[in-house]
Amino acid sequence: EDQVTQSPEALRLQEGESSSLNCSYTVSGLRGLFWYRQDPGKGPEFLFTLYSAGEEKEKERLKATLTKKESFLHITAPKPEDSATYLCAVQARGDSWGKLQFGAGTQVVVTP
Amino acid sequence: NAGVTQTPKFRVLKTGQSMTLLCAQDMNHEYMYWYRQDPGMGLRLIHYSVGEGTTAKGEVPDGYNVSRLKKQNFLLGLESAAPSQTSVYFCASRYRGLTDTQYFGPGTRLTVL
Repeated sequence: EDQVTQSPEALRLQEGESSSLNCSYTVSGLRGLFWYRQDPGKGPEFLFTLYSAGEEKEKERLKATLTKKESFLHITAPKPEDSATYLCAVQARGDSWGKLQFGAGTQVVVTP
Repeated sequence: NAGVTQTPKFRVLKTGQSMTLLCAQDMNHEYMYWYRQDPGMGLRLIHYSVGEGTTAKGEVPDGYNVSRLKKQNFLLGLESAAPSQTSVYFCASRYRGLTDTQYFGPGTRLTVL
């Protein structure tokens, strides 16, 4: 059974204090790994898609990387506006309908 | 473009009542999905649709029904609401490519008393 585990559950950072979030997955062949950001009371907002081990993508202070078993979301010099819950999801290679298996998320709070 | 919209934003039901949640998208996406989000459990797929007139069960379909009569709309129905259906419901849509991105609506917060 496909499984996605995110750690830590919550992370409190000082502004400027870089850190990494982990998403470990077990899936029978990976078609894609997706990162989303979710603000309180809102729907998830797409950040990145990663397709193969070794791939990296960046957007402002965020950088996502992928290995064969896990993905990391690195937050460099975070600002208070980076406070959100970050969700990871995988699409299995055997799925043709775009179905995603989500992790429970990491809640990030960045204080000034 | 409005993207993905959901109606209503909030709803309170009594046990046994019925209701329909409406999801609409203006991006001409073929695929649409309904999820529920509960604390500590992440998003779980309820039902999905890969085209007008077609629907399929997801991970947690019991107690829900869906219909996709028009390409742009996907309806989620609760025939007899139960307290276990208290949750935040999200709709998403995407193109039919192999790894296209799902885009989410703002959610509906449902409380069943």
